[in-house]
Amino acid sequence: EAGVAQSPRYKIIEKRQSVAFWCNPISGHATLYWYQQILGQGPKLLIQFQNNGVVDDSQLPKDRFSAERLKGVDSTLKIQPAKLEDSAVYLCASSLGRDDSPLHFGNGTRLTVT
Amino acid sequence: GQNIDQPTEMTATEGAIVQINCTYQTSGFNGLFWYQQHAGEAPTFLSYNVLDGLEEKGRFSSFLSRSKGYSYLLLKELQMKDSASYLCAVRPTGTASKLTFGTGTRLQVTL
Repeated sequence: EAGVAQSPRYKIIEKRQSVAFWCNPISGHATLYWYQQILGQGPKLLIQFQNNGVVDDSQLPKDRFSAERLKGVDSTLKIQPAKLEDSAVYLCASSLGRDDSPLHFGNGTRLTVT
Repeated sequence: GQNIDQPTEMTATEGAIVQINCTYQTSGFNGLFWYQQHAGEAPTFLSYNVLDGLEEKGRFSSFLSRSKGYSYLLLKELQMKDSASYLCAVRPTGTASKLTFGTGTRLQVTL
């Protein structure tokens, strides 16, 4: 099966600029996650979707971050305006949503904010 | 909330056995996962435990003790390609399947 697709692979922007990331999950996976992974740390959940509805966005900095999954398949994550501390890898993952279902991750987008 | 602890770094010799420990505190528990992450790559799923005991999968095994809030990942017959970070992740109850990750253990395999 095709894996989770993400683009772009790398992005460099200046602080206060905006940026958007795209994710296409594994076909049939209703649950989609965006994680932020800062160098040397484990992934931290930003937002979780079940189909096109938000399940958990408690750790999403909503003053600058937004995400959508309009048709319950692809998703975009946006940062506006970016800060230096947003430099990280943004990982998209999907799963079947069962208790025993692992998360399958995409290769991520490495964001550098200068 | 959840608290997950793992050693930051470990070093082991090719061909040896290494055990990576993970302790966790969580308000509810619905499974523990181990992931492998090579530098610059995405995490890949290794194992899942929800009941006490040992799960074996080839050279990798994972153990869980729910009463102690403890798990370990055992890697046998180490190979150079096993040099990576190993992430312990907990699925709390009532969370609709999300995972909370530890900071990871960076394993270096030497000759």
